[in-house]
Amino acid sequence: AQKVTQAQTEISVVEKEDVTLDCVYETRDTTYYLFWYKQPPSGELVFLIRRNSFDEQNEISGRYSWNFQKSTSSFNFTITASQVVDSAVYFCALSEAIGGNTPLVFGKGTRLSVIA
Amino acid sequence: NAGVTQTPKFRVLKTGQSMTLLCAQDMNHEYMYWYRQDPGMGLRLIHYSVGEGTTAKGEVPDGYNVSRLKKQNFLLGLESAAPSQTSVYFCASRLAAYNEQFFGPGTRLTVL
Repeated sequence: AQKVTQAQTEISVVEKEDVTLDCVYETRDTTYYLFWYKQPPSGELVFLIRRNSFDEQNEISGRYSWNFQKSTSSFNFTITASQVVDSAVYFCALSEAIGGNTPLVFGKGTRLSVIA
Repeated sequence: NAGVTQTPKFRVLKTGQSMTLLCAQDMNHEYMYWYRQDPGMGLRLIHYSVGEGTTAKGEVPDGYNVSRLKKQNFLLGLESAAPSQTSVYFCASRLAAYNEQFFGPGTRLTVL
């Protein structure tokens, strides 16, 4: 069965600090996708990134970077030089296989507070 | 292009009342989903649909029914609301060939 664990329930950092949000997943499939979503205080869910199981290259997008390691079943998310606008709940999610019906399984989320 | 929209945004019900939440998407997506979000629980799948006329149960389907009569719409019904159904409900959709889901803005439902 699929499972996503985000062990950090809440994190507080001071603006400009770097912060890493942890995500550990479980799956028996060899083909799967991992995702990160952001939920700002306004409540909507914003897609950030999708990574497939065959691509272990790290990805960087501006101040955001993602580290995917199959050996440890982790897909961690780092925000560099955090800003107040980064304050949100961040969800990691897993979807097995490509195509077909593969609902997302979400972690319980990490609430990040960036203090000015 | 509105993406995924949900109606209503807020609703207060009394125990035993019924209501329908409407989700609409204009992206021609095949797959649609209903989730509920509760504090500390993340998002849990209620029901989903892989195409017009088909629906299936998710992780927490009890107390809910759904219908997908048109490809662009996915309705979530509560026949007899209970306080345990107080939650924020999110609809999502995606193309059949991709696993990335797009979410609506959510409906905040309170059952008294």
